[in-house]
Amino acid sequence: QKEVEQDPGPLSVPEGAIVSLNCTYSNSAFQYFMWYRQYSRKGPELLMYTYSSGNKEDGRFTAQVDKSSKYISLFIRDSQPSDSATYLCAMKGQGAQKLVFGQGTRLTINP
Amino acid sequence: NAGVMQNPRHLVRRRGQEARLRCSPMKGHSHVYWYRQLPEEGLKFMVYLQKENIIDESGMPKERFSAEFPKEGPSILRIQQVVRGDSAAYFCASSPGQLGTEAFFGQGTRLTVV
Repeated sequence: QKEVEQDPGPLSVPEGAIVSLNCTYSNSAFQYFMWYRQYSRKGPELLMYTYSSGNKEDGRFTAQVDKSSKYISLFIRDSQPSDSATYLCAMKGQGAQKLVFGQGTRLTINP
Repeated sequence: NAGVMQNPRHLVRRRGQEARLRCSPMKGHSHVYWYRQLPEEGLKFMVYLQKENIIDESGMPKERFSAEFPKEGPSILRIQQVVRGDSAAYFCASSPGQLGTEAFFGQGTRLTVV
């Protein structure tokens, strides 16, 4: 079993839709939870991070962490074609120096 | 302030040759991390280095792979006697201190072994 599971998609939605991306994990030591966006042939770009449980909002993006269920989500409101990319969840434990990534979900927003 | 710079962006090597991948961290960053991304997979940690020290190489294959981060110059990921299975995108990230959440990734080097 992988430490972090993420549905690879692909996921295709119309412009303006609300997008929900999810990851599950098995390691209860994980404390930091990140979402990265990766455009084709580019490096990952940090979108949001959350420490421990709870919600965090940044513009059209909302990150949620439910540690009791070992489940994290990223919501994108009013999705735009420019949001089309692969979204990677990543996490790490307190004091850990390496990130554990999910497989990534390929998202396409159709105009 | 330039971001994390990796070169070359694309590298083609024949089986048995050596591959050298370079990473210049962001200015002021002294911590470097290397990750490998196989097609349709997420990033896998390889090694964590500080200047002149390898801190964690738990993700590095035991043979043929090595990494360094000298006092002067870029970090180098070296793969000796490459095989087709080494074909992947290799990403470097840097942070100003021990990893919190501020790790910035480079654009990657795409290695193709023919």
